[in-house]
Amino acid sequence: EIVLTQSPGTLSLSPGERATLSCRASQSVSSNYLAWYQQKPGQAPRLLIYGASSRATGIPDRFSGSGSGTDFTLTISRLEPEDFAVYYCQQFGGSPYTFGQGTKLEIK
Amino acid sequence: QVQLQESGPGLVKPSETLSLTCIVSGGSISSYYWTWIRQPPGKGLEWIGYIYYSGSTNYNPSLKSRVTISVDTSRNQFSLELSSVTAADTAVYYCARGPDCTGGNCVFDPWGQGTLVTVSS
Repeated sequence: EIVLTQSPGTLSLSPGERATLSCRASQSVSSNYLAWYQQKPGQAPRLLIYGASSRATGIPDRFSGSGSGTDFTLTISRLEPEDFAVYYCQQFGGSPYTFGQGTKLEIK
Repeated sequence: QVQLQESGPGLVKPSETLSLTCIVSGGSISSYYWTWIRQPPGKGLEWIGYIYYSGSTNYNPSLKSRVTISVDTSRNQFSLELSSVTAADTAVYYCARGPDCTGGNCVFDPWGQGTLVTVSS
């Protein structure tokens, strides 16, 4: 099973700041098979990034993904109030498909 | 666009079987994989398993002995059964389309809104 470890667990930032979220895999994952989701309280996760770096439909360009192999990053260039949420990385490189434990992005 | 809606009992007794259905609207269930994912209160996401519209399945080994996912193409829906439930199975259960690997990249998208199932006597 591929374990995804996200860091930090909680990130406290202010609107307008830059957020950098990390996702490390226990073994190499093809970039095609790495996705990021955003989840707000009481809502289902929403697809943000697929293929490690491609934005899903309707996702603002302040969201970007990068990385390869075992290290992946989600960057939010300038935080908007609606960006404060929990973010999960997820892999399709091996079954069972797994998610990271999540990074909570909170308002400082 | 495709929308998914989970339905089923919100309360299940310990040792009984949890049964949920996901109705797919706005598109055909054919030619896609369909997945169940769960999230215990305040915790992270766990993939339960998927079914292809033709009926082939793949389950998470951690739940495999208790899980059955089935599909009804005539009703455009798929279902989850989880047997011998305990309090540890209390979670929000989501259905989603996927893995959808169109174009070589895989995603779970879209998702249903989720339904909370509590296991308690």
